[in-house]
Amino acid sequence: SQKIEQNSEALNIQEGKTATLTCNYTNYSPAYLQWYRQDPGRGPVFLLLIRENEKEKRKERLKVTFDTTLKQSLFHITASQPADSATYLCALHTGTASKLTFGTGTRLQVTL
Amino acid sequence: DAGVTQSPTHLIKTRGQQVTLRCSPKSGHDTVSWYQQALGQGPQFIFQYYEEEERQRGNFPDRFSGHQFPNYSSELNVNALLLGDSALYLCASSTMNTGELFFGEGSRLTVL
Repeated sequence: SQKIEQNSEALNIQEGKTATLTCNYTNYSPAYLQWYRQDPGRGPVFLLLIRENEKEKRKERLKVTFDTTLKQSLFHITASQPADSATYLCALHTGTASKLTFGTGTRLQVTL
Repeated sequence: DAGVTQSPTHLIKTRGQQVTLRCSPKSGHDTVSWYQQALGQGPQFIFQYYEEEERQRGNFPDRFSGHQFPNYSSELNVNALLLGDSALYLCASSTMNTGELFFGEGSRLTVL
């Protein structure tokens, strides 16, 4: 069966450290993968998109990798801040554009 | 530039009733997708509208229907409400064949 797995347990890290979130998928062949941030009671906000032929993408303190062999994406936030505390969602394009299949998200808590 | 706007923000209905949720896409966007997000879960794709037609549909029953108007705004209708329909309903806009989605803040539906 098709699955997108993100660590359901919250990730707690100290301010200034690098947070690494994992997204694993099975039985999909996505053309590209996206990461979104979601705050409680709010809609998701787009962060990064990476295509299947790209290994790595960066945006300011954010970095995402995409390994189609391992069927895994890693999402890194360097020099993390308390304001980075949120739920981070991984999403795959599993059909034509705009149809995303989301993971359940990982909650990140950055403490002082 | 207004982003994606949704209304109402919160509503309470009883089982068996019908509900209509509304969405105005971001300026310049012509594609609207609807997602359902249950508590603690990732958003699930309901359907997508482009050029006033339903282009793709997720695994949702016919009780879920929609419409897109000439100005690209959209409605989601749910008939014969069930307790399990309680969720955050998210509208996302984009241009056709581009990956990034812009989400509204959602409509929180509670079915009693």
